[in-house]
Amino acid sequence: KAGVTQTPRYLIKTRGQQVTLSCSPISGHRSVSWYQQTPGQGLQFLFEYFSETQRNKGNFPGRFSGRQFSNSRSEMNVSTLELGDSALYLCASSLGSGLGEQYFGPGTRLTVT
Amino acid sequence: QQQVKQSPQSLIVQKGGISIINCAYENTAFDYFPWYQQFPGKGPALLIAIRPDVSEKKEGRFTISFNKSAKQFSLHIMDSQPGDSATYFCAAGEYNNNDMRFGAGTRLTVKP
Repeated sequence: KAGVTQTPRYLIKTRGQQVTLSCSPISGHRSVSWYQQTPGQGLQFLFEYFSETQRNKGNFPGRFSGRQFSNSRSEMNVSTLELGDSALYLCASSLGSGLGEQYFGPGTRLTVT
Repeated sequence: QQQVKQSPQSLIVQKGGISIINCAYENTAFDYFPWYQQFPGKGPALLIAIRPDVSEKKEGRFTISFNKSAKQFSLHIMDSQPGDSATYFCAAGEYNNNDMRFGAGTRLTVKP
């Protein structure tokens, strides 16, 4: 069974721009969670989507948003990029919301210049 | 947002030795405690997880010990191998809620 895939793997953007990242969960998984990983703050939860609805949200500004499609694929959008948004963005899928085990993708490395 | 404290920050162990990483959590509602292993350039990979109904769980060379009253849990890697060199993250959360809180990570180096 294929794992979680994320595209693109690397991205360079300029301050003020916006970016959209994509995540395809493991086949049959219906929940997708997004995390930001930085050397200073570690892994921080952004939000979770299940059945096209945002179920949980972390403590991030409204510039960070997401959505989920009927095939469980998810996108994350960051508007008005700031230098501090440079990070590895990880998505994790699980069978369902609240079913424990999450499996991570390889991440998208975003660099904001 | 830091609700999980992980130590040590880095660890060097000789091949064949035991690696021990500790974590402590604050929220008594947490009932799911996974450990993840991350290699450079890769996403975290689920290694082993425990629920509070047991005090220990073993999978191969990896063992989680859990102390509910102390709100602490630890990962033991027996017979550590150079291939185990990676960053290890503990996490804690509610099993029915995918909002996991992660420790800061431990960079493990196993010397041959």
